[in-house]
Amino acid sequence: GDSVTQMEGPVTLSEEAFLTINCTYTATGYPSLFWYVQYPGEGLQLLLKATKADDKGSNKGFEATYRKETTSFHLEKGSVQVSDSAVYFCALSGNTGGFKTIFGAGTRLFVKA
Amino acid sequence: DAGVIQSPRHEVTEMGQEVTLRCKPISGHDYLFWYRQTMMRGLELLIYFNNNVPIDDSGMPEDRFSAKMPNASFSTLKIQPSEPRDSAVYFCASRMDTRNNSPLHFGNGTRLTVT
Repeated sequence: GDSVTQMEGPVTLSEEAFLTINCTYTATGYPSLFWYVQYPGEGLQLLLKATKADDKGSNKGFEATYRKETTSFHLEKGSVQVSDSAVYFCALSGNTGGFKTIFGAGTRLFVKA
Repeated sequence: DAGVIQSPRHEVTEMGQEVTLRCKPISGHDYLFWYRQTMMRGLELLIYFNNNVPIDDSGMPEDRFSAKMPNASFSTLKIQPSEPRDSAVYFCASRMDTRNNSPLHFGNGTRLTVT
């Protein structure tokens, strides 16, 4: 079945450091790929998405490119801020499985001032 | 747009008691999902509805769990009887349609503690 694997956390960075959170997926067909972010005490919210190969999703300085050849969707940000501290979830939604969204385990990011 | 609204935000109950969690999805969204989040298992899909009809409840852990959606603007998740291992954060999410690029919109969750 479809699955998402993302790097384990926590990831601890200093402010203004470069961020990469790795995500790879397994799916049949052509899924859409998402990054969601969860701040403390809140639900998940969409950060960015990409719907086809080579698409780049971007929002709030975060970017991820849909790489079909490597089945990856790595999240990057050039300069993190303390306010980026949160849990980040990679997810896919495909044409199989009743259009369910499959989530990775989440990666916790701590950014120090 | 008020977003997905869940109540209560926190629930503390004793083992054996009945617990009811409530959700109001975003108006116009055809799909509603119930998730459970724990440190050990992460985010688990329990059940989802399409146009108020349950489509897949394979994630519901036991018969103690039940979910209903009597109309397009309201859903409940009930646990009866509750057990300490049910302690978790329960999220409701809604989605507009079946296109696979349509994202989920989550509520802020209900933190359930069963003592």
